[in-house]
Amino acid sequence: AAGVIQSPRHLIKEKRETATLKCYPIPRHDTVYWYQQGPGQDPQFLISFYEKMQSDKGSIPDRFSAQQFSDYHSELNMSSLELGDSALYFCASSPQGGRNIQYFGAGTRLSVL
Amino acid sequence: GQNIDQPTEMTATEGAIVQINCTYQTSGFNGLFWYQQHAGEAPTFLSYNVLDGLEEKGRFSSFLSRSKGYSYLLLKELQMKDSASYLCAVRESDYKLSFGAGTTVTVRA
Repeated sequence: AAGVIQSPRHLIKEKRETATLKCYPIPRHDTVYWYQQGPGQDPQFLISFYEKMQSDKGSIPDRFSAQQFSDYHSELNMSSLELGDSALYFCASSPQGGRNIQYFGAGTRLSVL
Repeated sequence: GQNIDQPTEMTATEGAIVQINCTYQTSGFNGLFWYQQHAGEAPTFLSYNVLDGLEEKGRFSSFLSRSKGYSYLLLKELQMKDSASYLCAVRESDYKLSFGAGTTVTVRA
């Protein structure tokens, strides 16, 4: 079965650069979620989208923005990168809004040097 | 705010049973999930409870008591491949999961 696809899998950036992470949900899933997981930490909810509209917002810095497109894929844009942004970024998707199981992608490992 | 507590580490022998407890105090509750995560990989869904009681799924079972803010994940007939981190997550609203810090389970031969 198709899973959540994230790209790139690994990304290396310098401080103050920008980065764009992409997420392609499972087919027919209309809701996507973004999580940030620092080393040895639990995933922290950043933001979610349902039917291309922001549905909830967590601890996402103002330097980050995200959107969901008409084909339901989502992009997380990160600007003015800081060393502390180095983490594993997971995208998850679920069908028919938020009241369903979230399935996670393999993640993008971002390293800021 | 949210407070989700689970033990940091547990060790068990192959073939044994391990129970991972999770207590929570969250601003909202709309279901409790258990995920398995191997190092550097995506969390994989294991089980989901929204009503009180036990949900059984093969070697894995999960229990929920909403009045006590308590859940446990039971892993039976442990195998070496079960060595992983197990994350308890509460769905506080329709679109947000809040995770505990995870319990690292080590299975020894």
